[in-house]
Amino acid sequence: GDSVTQMEGPVTLSEEAFLTINCTYTATGYPSLFWYVQYPGEGLQLLLKATKADDKGSNKGFEATYRKETTSFHLEKGSVQVSDSAVYFCALSARRGTASKLTFGTGTRLQVTL
Amino acid sequence: GAVVSQHPSRVICKSGTSVKIECRSLDFQATTMFWYRQFPKQSLMLMATSNEGSKATYEQGVEKDKFLINHASLTLSTLTVTSAHPEDSSFYICSARDELQQYFGPGTRLTVT
Repeated sequence: GDSVTQMEGPVTLSEEAFLTINCTYTATGYPSLFWYVQYPGEGLQLLLKATKADDKGSNKGFEATYRKETTSFHLEKGSVQVSDSAVYFCALSARRGTASKLTFGTGTRLQVTL
Repeated sequence: GAVVSQHPSRVICKSGTSVKIECRSLDFQATTMFWYRQFPKQSLMLMATSNEGSKATYEQGVEKDKFLINHASLTLSTLTVTSAHPEDSSFYICSARDELQQYFGPGTRLTVT
C-alpha cells in the first residue's frame, strides 16, 4: 500500500538557518503530494502541494519539489523564523487534491530558537 | 479559511465507559468527514470516512462496533468510543472536506484510566 516516510525529529535550528525536512513516498500510480503544518493547539493546515512530477509547491517561503525519479518531496526553507516552530507532516493522495484519502508520514517537529 | 472544531479537546474516562467526540464544520457544509487516530511519534491513521446520512466506511482493522461514527448533519460528525480501554488512549483528529480540500480539527486527547 501507499506509505510516506519522514525524517525523525525534533529538528532544532537557530533563526535564519536553512531547513530541510526529508520525505519519501511509496505509491502506485501518480499521487499528489502535500506538506501540512500543525502549530501548537491547532489543526493541521495545508502548507503546500504538488500534483505532478517536477511541480514545485511553495508557500510562506517554504518549497518542495515533486521528484518522481527519487520518489521524494523534501521540504525546504532558506531562512527559518521562530514562528515556524511546529510539526510538519508529509502526505500523499492517490487523487489530485486533498479531498480524498490522505496517507501521512509520522511528522517532524521543528524547533527554531533565537 | 474553513474552520473545523472538535469537542472536547481533552477527556479522561474510566475503563469500560463510553466517550463521545464531536467534530463540527463551522462555516461550510461537509458531506464527508474523516476520523484519524494518532499515536505518539506515529503518523495519522485514517480510521473511517463519514458521509452525511449514510453509514461510515471503516478502514481495515478498525472495529466499527467499538468506534461508532454518526454523521447526522452536514456540519456535525461524532465519534463514540465504546467500552473504552487504556489502549484506546490516543489523539483523535477529524477533518471535513469540501470539493477541493480537507480541513482539520485541532484534535481530542483521550486518556482512559
